[in-house]
Amino acid sequence: EIVLTQSPGTLSLSPGERATLSCRASQSVSSSYLAWYQQKPGQAPRLLIYGASSRATGIPDRFSGSGSGTDFTLTISRLEPEDFAMYYCQHYGGSPKYSFGQGTKLEIK
Amino acid sequence: EVQLVQSEAEVKKPGESLKISCKGSGYSFTTYWLAWVRQMPGKGLEWMGTIYPGDSDTRYSPSFQGQVTLSADKSINTAYLQWSSLKASDTAIYYCARKIEATGPPYVFDIWGQGTMVTVSS
Repeated sequence: EIVLTQSPGTLSLSPGERATLSCRASQSVSSSYLAWYQQKPGQAPRLLIYGASSRATGIPDRFSGSGSGTDFTLTISRLEPEDFAMYYCQHYGGSPKYSFGQGTKLEIK
Repeated sequence: EVQLVQSEAEVKKPGESLKISCKGSGYSFTTYWLAWVRQMPGKGLEWMGTIYPGDSDTRYSPSFQGQVTLSADKSINTAYLQWSSLKASDTAIYYCARKIEATGPPYVFDIWGQGTMVTVSS
């Protein structure tokens, strides 16, 4: 079973700064099956990135994804006030079988 | 508009049964896999299982196999998540979510219900 570990647990930054969130898989995975979601308090998750680097419909281009093998990154180039939220990575392991990382909280410094 | 609308919050006692629903609209309900995702208070997301409403083909996470039942009624575009005997540890928000493509990759969820809060307390 593939385990996704996200770091840091909490990231404190200011609007306008660059955010770099990490997702590490316990073994090598296909980048085709790695995604990122944003969740704000009281809301359902929102798909940001799929296939490790493809932005979902309507997602601003300040959000970008990269990585391969076991290490994946979500980058927010210039933080807007609405970007402060929880972020989860997700992997598809076939069968179907889905798993999520434990999340990174992006908070205002 | 493509959307999933879930049933209202529930408060139940341990040992009681419960069935919550997720109604799809704005798309071909029978041709997209639907997943259920649990979020316990203050915690992360956990995939519970997935159902194909067209033929009710169902796949469960090992963690939830035998604990819950997924079903669907394609005549009314509605999927269900059911418990036969609730426990306090079932207290959580439950989301339904649609797989983005009818067939094949990517295996991600683009449309989410608003969530149903289930509280189990004596």
